[in-house]
This record gives sequence, structure tokens and C-alpha cells, in this order.
Amino acid sequence: QKEVEQDPGPLSVPEGAIVSLNCTYSNSAFQYFMWYRQYSRKGPELLMYTYSSGNKEDGRFTAQVDKSSKYISLFIRDSQPSDSATYLCAMSAIIKAAGNKLTFGGGTRVLVKP
Amino acid sequence: DTEVTQTPKHLVMGMTNKKSLKCEQHMGHRAMYWYKQKAKKPPELMFVYSYEKLSINESVPSRFSPECPNSSLLNLHLHALQPEDSALYLCASSQDGTGQPQHFGDGTRLSIL
Repeated sequence: QKEVEQDPGPLSVPEGAIVSLNCTYSNSAFQYFMWYRQYSRKGPELLMYTYSSGNKEDGRFTAQVDKSSKYISLFIRDSQPSDSATYLCAMSAIIKAAGNKLTFGGGTRVLVKP
Repeated sequence: DTEVTQTPKHLVMGMTNKKSLKCEQHMGHRAMYWYKQKAKKPPELMFVYSYEKLSINESVPSRFSPECPNSSLLNLHLHALQPEDSALYLCASSQDGTGQPQHFGDGTRLSIL
């Protein structure tokens, strides 16, 4: 079993719909949670970063973390064709003096149709 | 444009060549990372530098040799690569190594002939 599970999709939605993405994880040591967006032939772009359980909102994006269920979500409101990309969840635990090792989900491909 | 700059964007090399990938950031970050990404897969960590010292090596073959000349620069020296090493090589940086988010460059797309 992978440490972080993410549905690969593709997830196809009409323009203007809400995109709902999620990841589950098994390592209770994970404390930092990130969502990245990756366009084809580009590097991952940081969208959201959260530390504690609860909700965080930034424009059209809302990230939710439920540590008790080991479940994180990303919602994209009023989706646009430009949101079509692969979305990667990532998480990390605190590693003393060694650096910040991210564990990624496999990524979900999202298609927003005009 | 990202704040982490990687050069070159594309590289084609033979198995006997020696080449280097370069990464630069000017955000004052003190942790820098090399990742390898194959098509339709997430990035895989290769190396971590924390305060210019190598802190994590994920059992990467010795044909990949990282170098951190200063806090803004990170190099990846390549020698005698194999066709299976063809991939997108991503550099990332974070404020330090204690859970801060990582910021990625757009990568170098490497093809081994």
C-alpha cells in the first residue's frame, strides 16, 4: 500500500463547475500538506500549503485537512479551461536536521471543458 | 515564470558524455532539492542540500553527482548515463528543511541516446 493514495483520473468537468480532489494517507507523522498544479512540460506550481486540520481558502481554491481521518481535499470553484492540469498532493513530516522530504500522491489529471 | 531557474531547458546527450544541469534561486532559501520525474508519475526525490551540505541521498547511482557551490546554486553533474535516465529533472528550494513548502523550477528535459 502506498503512503499517499490519489485517484489518477482523468476528472472531466464542465466550465464553471466545482472540481473536488482528494488524497488519503497512512503515515500519522505527516504534518505539512501541499497541493501543486502541474501543466504539461512545466514544473509543479505550489497552490496551497497547510499545517493544521481545518480549511484554508485562497481565491477560488479551498484546501481541507482532516488529520483524524488522514484525508485532505482541494476544491476549485468556478473552474476554467486554464485549470486543466495534473494536481499533485504532497505531504511531509518534520525530519530533524535532514531536510524536508515530500511524499507525493500519484496526481489527478483534471480536464475542464468549455 | 518561476523563481527557481533551471538551465538548460532541454538536453540530449550520449551515454559517454559528461554534462551538468544548473539550478539557481534568489529567494534566500537554505534547502535545495533535485527530483527526477518520469511521464505520468510524481516527482521522485534524489538529493537534498540543507545549508549547503548534502543531507539526503536517496540511493541515487553514482553517475549522478550533485554539487552546491553556494546557497543560491545547485548543480547536477551527469556522466555515463543510461537510456532509462531520460526524464524531467526538477530542482526545488524551500526556506529551510523544517516543513516549509518547496518551490519548483520548470525542469530540464533530458534525453539519453
